[in-house]
Amino acid sequence: GQNIDQPTEMTATEGAIVQINCTYQTSGFNGLFWYQQHAGEAPTFLSYNVLDGLEEKGRFSSFLSRSKGYSYLLLKELQMKDSASYLCAVRDGGNTGKLIFGQGTTLQVKP
Amino acid sequence: DADVTQTPRNRITKTGKRIMLECSQTKGHDRMYWYRQDPGLGLRLIYYSFDVKDINKGEISDGYSVSRQAQAKFSLSLESAIPNQTALYFCATSDFRTGYQETQYFGPGTRLLVL
Repeated sequence: GQNIDQPTEMTATEGAIVQINCTYQTSGFNGLFWYQQHAGEAPTFLSYNVLDGLEEKGRFSSFLSRSKGYSYLLLKELQMKDSASYLCAVRDGGNTGKLIFGQGTTLQVKP
Repeated sequence: DADVTQTPRNRITKTGKRIMLECSQTKGHDRMYWYRQDPGLGLRLIYYSFDVKDINKGEISDGYSVSRQAQAKFSLSLESAIPNQTALYFCATSDFRTGYQETQYFGPGTRLLVL
């Protein structure tokens, strides 16, 4: 079966670092995506990993270990505007382009 | 202007009514998707389309139908709405030509309430 797990909620302090974990068990794998979604808004693309290792984009980094079925999103120098849900999604095997989403992690940044 | 638009943005309807949600895109993408989002359940795929003549069911297609009128337009219909179809609906598009990093881009969503 297809299963993607993320913590439901996290809280962190402005200026701090937070790590959001995602574990997956899927029948196929063509990469892992992270999306950010503010309440009531559309998900927006943050990062993509297909090879093991760390991808860095400014304050955000994403890590992938395919052998462990594990990824994390690291947010540095947290800002209040980072309060949002973070969605982990695995791209299905084959050529369908389909994404399988986890339930999302709601991050609250406090002053 | 937004690349992916959805109409209406909000809709209230009654049980048994037929309604249509529309999605248009100016990104020139060939692939389009319909998802619903429910609290605690994440995004679930309803239907997807690779081009005008290629439409496929997702994981939760029962009670829904779709129409791909043109490359840029993909509509979702609820033939006879029921209260458990109350949800936030998103349309998304992607470009097959981008290869492995084929990223999906989402519209602003339609909030549907079925009474």
